[in-house]
Amino acid sequence: DVKVTQSSRYLVKRTGEKVFLECVQDMDHENMFWYRQDPGLGLRLIYFSYDVKMKEKGDIPEGYSVSREKKERFSLILESASTNQTSMYLCASRGGTSGYNEQFFGPGTRLTVL
Amino acid sequence: AQSVSQHNHHVILSEAASLELGCNYSYGGTVNLFWYVQYPGQHLQLLLKYFSGDPLVKGIKGFEAEFIKSKFSFNLRKPSVQWSDTAEYFCAVSPHNTDKLIFGTGTRLQVFP
Repeated sequence: DVKVTQSSRYLVKRTGEKVFLECVQDMDHENMFWYRQDPGLGLRLIYFSYDVKMKEKGDIPEGYSVSREKKERFSLILESASTNQTSMYLCASRGGTSGYNEQFFGPGTRLTVL
Repeated sequence: AQSVSQHNHHVILSEAASLELGCNYSYGGTVNLFWYVQYPGQHLQLLLKYFSGDPLVKGIKGFEAEFIKSKFSFNLRKPSVQWSDTAEYFCAVSPHNTDKLIFGTGTRLQVFP
């Protein structure tokens, strides 16, 4: 079974703090993704990576950056957290190069920025 | 811009009722289509997917979906829902020329015994 783990289920931070969200997958997948999930908006893609040290902007990259130093790990960074970044953050991974392949999701990190 | 529409935001059913959740997408080319489900407190998981071939695809737990290319639709169906089907359902589309998965806004299904 593919396993995608995220470092925290719940996180509370203050405005202006730097926040790191970590994601690890154990299936040697090439592709990894960060989404945020908000009620009524579904999942929106923040960034994705198709290889180590490679990254592509998604639909809402503003205020975020990412790091992929190792194949199994994909980090989302909020350089200076703001209250409008309060959300559920989901990491996913996908093997192969075909968009037909399933994305496997982690349990999510619910981030609250005060 | 490519988008996915789920017009039913919240559906309430009694057990044994039939279910159909609508999904429409806006993209003129070839697509892969998915339905994901998120049970309360659990992570998103795949219900079913369509790539090519028979437009009627069957997934887990008795769900099925039909791809109608002329209508740009991929509606999810189940003939008889159970209380355990209470969850949020997301339709998603992956255009063939991208790595992206574009999600709809989700439909919250509540099934009462």
